[in-house]
Amino acid sequence: GAGVSQTPSNKVTEKGKYVELRCDPISGHTALYWYRQSLGQGPEFLIYFQGTGAADDSGLPNDRFFAVRPEGSVSTLKIQRTERGDSAVYLCASSLSSVASEQYFGPGTRLTVT
Amino acid sequence: GDSVTQMEGPVTLSEEAFLTINCTYTATGYPSLFWYVQYPGEGLQLLLKATKADDKGSNKGFEATYRKETTSFHLEKGSVQVSDSAVYFCALSENGQGAQKLVFGQGTRLTINP
Repeated sequence: GAGVSQTPSNKVTEKGKYVELRCDPISGHTALYWYRQSLGQGPEFLIYFQGTGAADDSGLPNDRFFAVRPEGSVSTLKIQRTERGDSAVYLCASSLSSVASEQYFGPGTRLTVT
Repeated sequence: GDSVTQMEGPVTLSEEAFLTINCTYTATGYPSLFWYVQYPGEGLQLLLKATKADDKGSNKGFEATYRKETTSFHLEKGSVQVSDSAVYFCALSENGQGAQKLVFGQGTRLTINP
């Protein structure tokens, strides 16, 4: 079946611009996670949704970052006033439920801020 | 907070060699432990996991044992193949607010030469 998909696969933007990154989870998965992976590092947790609500946003680095999941399926990560330090691969993962469920990762969106 | 430390790479081996990638963790509770693999051009995939002390996870000839006394979860394989070339990430799950947030190590790039 279809896995987690993310669009775009690559995004180049200028410093100060606004970007949106989209995640389509596996159908029926209620839990959705966003991670950020900088070059040469492991992924770092950003935010977790259970259904429509952001149950844990403790990993968002500052208030320029925001994410939504209005219908409990597709999620959008929004970054305002992008900075060069935001350049990274943004990964989305979904799981069947929140507890003790394997997380399935998408291929990621590579964001480059020039 | 919780953290994971992995053996630094890159690691280069010949086919059929024995593989060990070291992983140690720091955690306040009793996390679950994971190894994820990222093959070239693909997304992160769960390789194996262990949920409690002395559990052994295994998959595709890889094994790792949850050692609480040494806070370790080393990845081993008896005879590696060229197709095992990938980046390997050790991770633990922090269970909080219903989420299974993953905390990753920095990754170890493995190259197997024929």
